Amino acid sequence: QSALTQPASVSGSPGQSITISCTGTSSDVGGYNYVSWYQQHPGKAPKLMIYDVSNRPSGVSNRFSGSKSGNTASLTISGLQAEDEADYYCSSYTSSTTMVFGGGTKLTVL
Amino acid sequence: EVQLVESGGGLIQPGGSLRLSCAASGFTVSSNYMTWVRQAPGKGLEWVSVIYSGGSTYYADSVKGRFTISRDNSKNTLYLQMNSLRAEDTAVYYCATGSGTYFEYWGQGTLVTVSS
Repeated sequence: QSALTQPASVSGSPGQSITISCTGTSSDVGGYNYVSWYQQHPGKAPKLMIYDVSNRPSGVSNRFSGSKSGNTASLTISGLQAEDEADYYCSSYTSSTTMVFGGGTKLTVL
Repeated sequence: EVQLVESGGGLIQPGGSLRLSCAASGFTVSSNYMTWVRQAPGKGLEWVSVIYSGGSTYYADSVKGRFTISRDNSKNTLYLQMNSLRAEDTAVYYCATGSGTYFEYWGQGTLVTVSS
């Protein structure tokens, strides 16, 4: 149950687009279309942003999008806004019938 | 409206036991996939355990044999019994629900501190 690999930090200016990667193996990310993404502001519970690779829950801005290629999933945020500054985590279903998270990425809006 | 409220956290000595509760409203715990996720201070999220609607349970290797997930259908409440606690179990523990592959609703979390 090794954690998925995410960059520790990314940054971008307001209005720009950024992409956060999430790399796993064929036993998790690559083996299933069950990758989800969560946004977490300091002191708050995580919030679901993307599920099943590329689906947005109701109420989540269409500036957030997800994709996957092989063992790597990606979260793209377009038109960056100050309120997007937060920690982001990916998660995947695994072949062990468990779930695994990525180490998290701190997004800084410059 | 779906709500999850955790309780039961606190300060406990190494080797001790603690039971966390997660009271649910707006849906039926027994009919849903329920999970525990934890977050050590300043660290990332770690999946801990799941109980499916059919009753099957699964655990992270880090807690297997020490933690037990269960539910009380009459109280619509999820539990996490934690035994043989270690310093590395110190974390905010969240309960969450959703499909079997993502976590749509989260509680506010309860802090467990394992220290002498």
